[in-house]
Amino acid sequence: GIQVEQSPPDLILQEGANSTLRCNFSDSVNNLQWFHQNPWGQLINLFYIPSGTKQNGRLSATTVATERYSLLYISSSQTTDSGVYFCAVGNTGTASKLTFGTGTRLQVTL
Amino acid sequence: NAGVMQNPRHLVRRRGQEARLRCSPMKGHSHVYWYRQLPEEGLKFMVYLQKENIIDESGMPKERFSAEFPKEGPSILRIQQVVRGDSAAYFCASSPEDAARTQYFGPGTRLLVL
Repeated sequence: GIQVEQSPPDLILQEGANSTLRCNFSDSVNNLQWFHQNPWGQLINLFYIPSGTKQNGRLSATTVATERYSLLYISSSQTTDSGVYFCAVGNTGTASKLTFGTGTRLQVTL
Repeated sequence: NAGVMQNPRHLVRRRGQEARLRCSPMKGHSHVYWYRQLPEEGLKFMVYLQKENIIDESGMPKERFSAEFPKEGPSILRIQQVVRGDSAAYFCASSPEDAARTQYFGPGTRLLVL
């Protein structure tokens, strides 16, 4: 099956700093989503981005499908950004299971 | 619009009991997925269902686990004779018919087996 690797595994930032999270995947995909799992365990959809670039407030994401990676940018980080960020991909048919990476654990400090 | 609903949010069972987890997809969604998250790990796919059909159960253990999505009512993930290793967070996701790739996740059910 498809392999998904995320880096870095852990990240500590001071409030206001910027960061880039990376997701590499081993095969072509027709679905790529970024999620934020907050400290209470809730999974929040950030982006559906199998290709191209999207922005939503302080967050943006870029997927270069031909090179099999995606980047999530967080600017002016806030303590509420803390949690685990997951990249998940799918590549079988139109409605397919997602394969999750192991996540990047982000802690934003004051 | 209500999101994906799961209940119960927390469930405690003793070894050997049965656990039933329920998932109501978002309105208009006909695809349901179940994932399991063990402590400190990412989510792992278990099963994908459409109304009254199991489409892909490649991630679900062959024994003790079953899933259904009846014509009426929520999707049910059933775990028989639970063991301590079943302790995990179980997430349900749904997607709509006409944009079947974007999956929206529920809040999860935290199962603790004593």
